[in-house]
Amino acid sequence: LAKTTQPISMDSYEGQEVNITCSHNNIATNDYITWYQQFPSQGPRFIIQGYKTKVTNEVASLFIPADRKSSTLSLPRVSLSDTAVYYCLVGDDGSSNTGKLIFGQGTTLQVKP
Amino acid sequence: DAMVIQNPRYQVTQFGKPVTLSCSQTLNHNVMYWYQQKSSQAPKLLFHYYDKDFNNEADTPDNFQSRRPNTSFCFLDIRSPGLGDAAMYLCATSGTGPEKLFFGSGTQLSVL
Repeated sequence: LAKTTQPISMDSYEGQEVNITCSHNNIATNDYITWYQQFPSQGPRFIIQGYKTKVTNEVASLFIPADRKSSTLSLPRVSLSDTAVYYCLVGDDGSSNTGKLIFGQGTTLQVKP
Repeated sequence: DAMVIQNPRYQVTQFGKPVTLSCSQTLNHNVMYWYQQKSSQAPKLLFHYYDKDFNNEADTPDNFQSRRPNTSFCFLDIRSPGLGDAAMYLCATSGTGPEKLFFGSGTQLSVL
């Protein structure tokens, strides 16, 4: 049973901001939230990781509310090249050998001209 | 500059003929994973190594085996491939600290 739930698909237009929300109701105290991007025929690629509040890097922002039961990946001003599948994963702090890195169904983002 | 390298990129095998996929890493990460990804599906975890400790997912068929002779290399052995085993096989690593996966480009396996 996947630990995370995301919308199956989203559409957007170039230049818009896209927000993808992931639910992880059973997140544990030691768990971090990580988002990956995957293009066809390639391995997933790390985008951003966070534990709580807000994290920002050069490609995205990650918003995590206080209860940490959900998270939102924000992609500013998307372009056609952002068309991909986006996965939200919940995994621990690496201090234990639990192998909990299970992928949910992911969100297919289609960016239109 | 590739950090997780999978060979070959494409592999064709015959039904029932054993096949081995390889993965190497230059990151010196202690954890290595094998995922299976079928068309339009999410990657499915088969097993992982935490250093030398092997961890098999409960629903991974016995037909799938793995070896990790040292930190840098990990192999996926499919003893008797069936048509349903055709998929992309992804190797990933993670190091110390919060789990962050580094993936290879994958091996696309075809079974004839």
